[in-house]
Amino acid sequence: DTGVSQNPRHKITKRGQNVTFRCDPISEHNRLYWYRQTLGQGPEFLTYFQNEAQLEKSRLLSDRFSAERPKGSFSTLEIQRTEQGDSAMYLCASSSRTGVNSEAFFGQGTRLTVV
Amino acid sequence: GQQVMQIPQYQHVQEGEDFTTYCNSSTTLSNIQWYKQRPGGHPVFLIQLVKSGEVKKQKRLTFQFGEAKKNSSLHITATQTTDVGTYFCAGLRGQNFVFGPGTRLSVLP
Repeated sequence: DTGVSQNPRHKITKRGQNVTFRCDPISEHNRLYWYRQTLGQGPEFLTYFQNEAQLEKSRLLSDRFSAERPKGSFSTLEIQRTEQGDSAMYLCASSSRTGVNSEAFFGQGTRLTVV
Repeated sequence: GQQVMQIPQYQHVQEGEDFTTYCNSSTTLSNIQWYKQRPGGHPVFLIQLVKSGEVKKQKRLTFQFGEAKKNSSLHITATQTTDVGTYFCAGLRGQNFVFGPGTRLSVLP
């Protein structure tokens, strides 16, 4: 499978714990995005990388959230001191630099439940 | 900030009926993309519109970008049960796309 891969698919954690998600984009895609989606809503932008550089972060991304893409390939999203409001589907997407606004390929997502 | 809205929120149709979802932006859009998300799935890219007044077709799906580039529509002719899902529009903001809340389509056989 050469699509976008996300791990784990599901994560249940207790409030206050830290969690980390991983995203492996389509190889050679230099753009990587993280989105959050809650039930009945559209994907909500969190942050964006071009290669290893984090170029944009949403104002919605609190200090408890951090994302990295150390080698310009896979990315991790960490949430510290999780809160119940963090429960959502976290989606990763990647795109190539063919044109300015090429299509985004989404992974299956990581569903986080904070209890 | 840029707001992208979609109507209706839900649409139930009988198989064979047509379906249209509308996307409206508070600001002029340079590009707009449409995605489909099946129940339990992830968003899948359908199409991108760039030019004012642009119309693109994919089999039974017709996509339109408004003349003022502030609205867009997706029309499905003769819906099938395989069309079930949520349809999102996404407007370009900087280097990223702002997604609308989506229109959930149910098709009754």
